[in-house]
Amino acid sequence: DTAVSQTPKYLVTQMGNDKSIKCEQNLGHDTMYWYKQDSKKFLKIMFSYNNKELIINETVPNRFSPKSPDKAHLNLHINSLELGDSAVYFCASSLTWSRNSPLHFGNGTRLTVT
Amino acid sequence: GIQVEQSPPDLILQEGANSTLRCNFSDSVNNLQWFHQNPWGQLINLFYIPSGTKQNGRLSATTVATERYSLLYISSSQTTDSGVYFCAVEPGTASKLTFGTGTRLQVTL
Repeated sequence: DTAVSQTPKYLVTQMGNDKSIKCEQNLGHDTMYWYKQDSKKFLKIMFSYNNKELIINETVPNRFSPKSPDKAHLNLHINSLELGDSAVYFCASSLTWSRNSPLHFGNGTRLTVT
Repeated sequence: GIQVEQSPPDLILQEGANSTLRCNFSDSVNNLQWFHQNPWGQLINLFYIPSGTKQNGRLSATTVATERYSLLYISSSQTTDSGVYFCAVEPGTASKLTFGTGTRLQVTL
């Protein structure tokens, strides 16, 4: 199946821990993203990579570090997790960086910090 | 930054009814997309529609860029249409999609 896939689907962890979320797309897209959806369903972009290069870095705490080993993968590592990091994190991709590229989302990772 | 308002915030329909969801935005845009988030949390791209009209089955969308709004029409609604519908826009001066707050739709039998 062609898709954006992210793992794990659920992540429950304690404050202070470090965790990673992995994302892979087999759509042949050049651009990948991380979005955060809060408890009120509001979606906000965190990072964007185009062909492995960081092009958008919103005002996200530097405890969040994205890594793109190749253009098909974009992983998110979070250090020193805080209660406020609890949210659903979505990976997405688009064909190109240009504005006429529809966005395709993964199924999300629900992170719960206790 | 650009403001994106969606209305209504909540909508309850009986199966078979039609509905129109609206997205207003505060600046000119080069990119507008509609998404459906189903009750399982999956986000599905419905339309890429910076201008004009598109149709896909029972769904259609129209964007009037000069008047800064877009409409999503759902005809003969089904229970599987339930979920949250998001509009997302990208202004000409930026390179990122800004999402609206969504319209939560519930279709009942």
